Order: sequence, then structure tokens, then C-alpha cells
Amino acid sequence: EVQLVESGGGLVKPGRSLRLSCTASGFTFGDYAMSWFRQAPGKGLEWVGFIRSKAYGGTTEYAASVKGRFTISRDDSKSIAYLQMNSLKTEDTAVYYCTRAPREVYWGQGTLVTVSS
Amino acid sequence: DIQMTQSPSSLSASVGDRVTITCQASQDISNYLNWYQQKPGKAPKLLIYDASNLETGVPSRFSGSGSGTDFTFTISSLQPEDIATYYCQQYDNLPPITFGGGTKVEIK
Repeated sequence: EVQLVESGGGLVKPGRSLRLSCTASGFTFGDYAMSWFRQAPGKGLEWVGFIRSKAYGGTTEYAASVKGRFTISRDDSKSIAYLQMNSLKTEDTAVYYCTRAPREVYWGQGTLVTVSS
Repeated sequence: DIQMTQSPSSLSASVGDRVTITCQASQDISNYLNWYQQKPGKAPKLLIYDASNLETGVPSRFSGSGSGTDFTFTISSLQPEDIATYYCQQYDNLPPITFGGGTKVEIK
């Protein structure tokens, strides 16, 4: 059974950093791209970015709203994808989800990041 | 970036009614469109992929159609468990992946 579990969320002050983890199981992690999405309270869904599998170079793409501040990485030996979030802003407050790409059938339960002073 | 215009933003219908949601892309996206269902406090659930393909395990009362710029999502007979917010999502010419604004479906 495919499972994705996000962790690392919490309350953080503006300008600080936070790293989220997405621990995967039930599939060969290294064969898949992994995506991150977010949803601000009471708002719609927003794509954050993704990381391709090593077979496709392991390269990353980001939404304009986070480019230069957020970094996605992966550790295939541990089946974990990471979302490093730097220079956090209040507007980054959201539930963050990881998914297996493409065709996002599998989602984690989400982890809440609150950016507030 | 490709903009997705989804309508209506909310609707109220009776159990058994046919419900239709539309999504218009700002440019041709072929059939690179998904439809998701999201219930409060839960992660989105993929219902339809590639505009018209029903994801495994999804009830057949859900369907999708369209290509190019105009897409339709239909619930043929609304059930109480279908109360949720529905989103279209395009994945052509990424990045970025973009979503419609969502349609909140309620029971009348």
C-alpha cells in the first residue's frame, strides 16, 4: 500500500526557515517524481514544486511564489522527499502536501505550517 | 502561465440531481486536465485524469469530458457523500501546474 507521511510543520516566525519531510512507503521511491502542494486556510490548492526522479536528472521546478526561497530535494536511500523553506512569509501559511507524480493519486495527510510573529 | 477558470464557485443541488462543473483554460491544454474532490480537513482525491479517464475505484456517476480549452465535470446523480469542493487542474506546459478556483457542492 502506497503511503506518504509529511512531517516537520509548525509555528515559525517570518524570515525563519523550516524543513518538511515526506516519508514514502509501498513503492519504489526512486522511480517517481515527487511534488509538493499547499493550501492556505480556507483557500484553494496551489502547486509548490516538484523533483524529478534520478532517471530524469533529479531536477526541480518551482512555482514563481516560492522560487529562490524553497528547495526540494530527495534521499532515495531513505525514501524521503524534503521541502526546505527559507525566508518564510506570512503568506506561506498553509497545509503542505506531498504527492507522488505524475498523476497525483497518492497524497499525504498534510502538515500545517504557520508563519506568524 | 495557464489560467484555469472554474464555474460555478458554489452550487446547491438535490440528491439525485445531475451536477455539472465547467473549467476553461486560458490556452489549449489538449487533454492534460485532472479533476479532484476534496472534503473538509482531507487531502484531495483524484477522480478523473487526462480529462475523461475515471481513476480506479471512483464511482461511475463521476465523469469528465472536453479537450483544448473547455472541460466539463459531471456527477450524474448527486449523493450525500459527494458533498465536497471540486477542483480542476491542468498539467500541460508545466511549470507551473495550475488549479481552478474550486466549486463547493452542497445539498439543497
